[in-house]
Amino acid sequence: EAGVVQSPRYKIIEKKQPVAFWCNPISGHNTLYWYRQNLGQGPELLIRYENEEAVDDSQLPKDRFSAERLKGVDSTLKIQPAELGDSAVYLCASSLMGQGSGNTIYFGEGSWLTVV
Amino acid sequence: GESVGLHLPTLSVQEGDNSIINCAYSNSASDYFIWYKQESGKGPQFIIDIRSNMDKRQGQRVTVLLNKTVKHLSLQIAATQPGDSAVYFCAENPSTGKLIFGQGTTLQVKP
Repeated sequence: EAGVVQSPRYKIIEKKQPVAFWCNPISGHNTLYWYRQNLGQGPELLIRYENEEAVDDSQLPKDRFSAERLKGVDSTLKIQPAELGDSAVYLCASSLMGQGSGNTIYFGEGSWLTVV
Repeated sequence: GESVGLHLPTLSVQEGDNSIINCAYSNSASDYFIWYKQESGKGPQFIIDIRSNMDKRQGQRVTVLLNKTVKHLSLQIAATQPGDSAVYFCAENPSTGKLIFGQGTTLQVKP
């Protein structure tokens, strides 16, 4: 069974340019997460979806970040315009269900963004 | 705010020895914990989890211990191998569904 698939794996862009990341979660997983991981740090949640609904986007910088999960499966995360401080790994993850403990969250390989 | 932290940023062990990676958490209401392994250039990989109604859980070569009294979590790796070299994160998964990670411990295995 395929795991969480992300693309692109690596992206280098100039500041002020837009960038988008795509994620395909594990089949059947209703909950999808986008995390950001800075170098040497643990991942931090940006947004969580349950099906099509964003149920927690409190940590998403809404002035430049946007995300969507239109059909409740794939998701995209966009940054426009990118800033130097956005350089990080953007991790997508999914779980069978979001609410309640014991729902293991599986991560993709990440999209590594460098803004120059 | 809530946080999950690790005691040591780096742990160096000899191949074949046992490794113990520690983690302290701050939210006493948390009821589920996970250990992840992250190799260079890859995403976090699930290792083992434990619910708060348990104090020990064993997997293949790994054991997680939970001490709720002092809010401490540990990961024990038996007979550490070079392939175990990675960054290890403990994470707290409260009922809100929001996974909270600690800072990570880098495990270095010396041949």
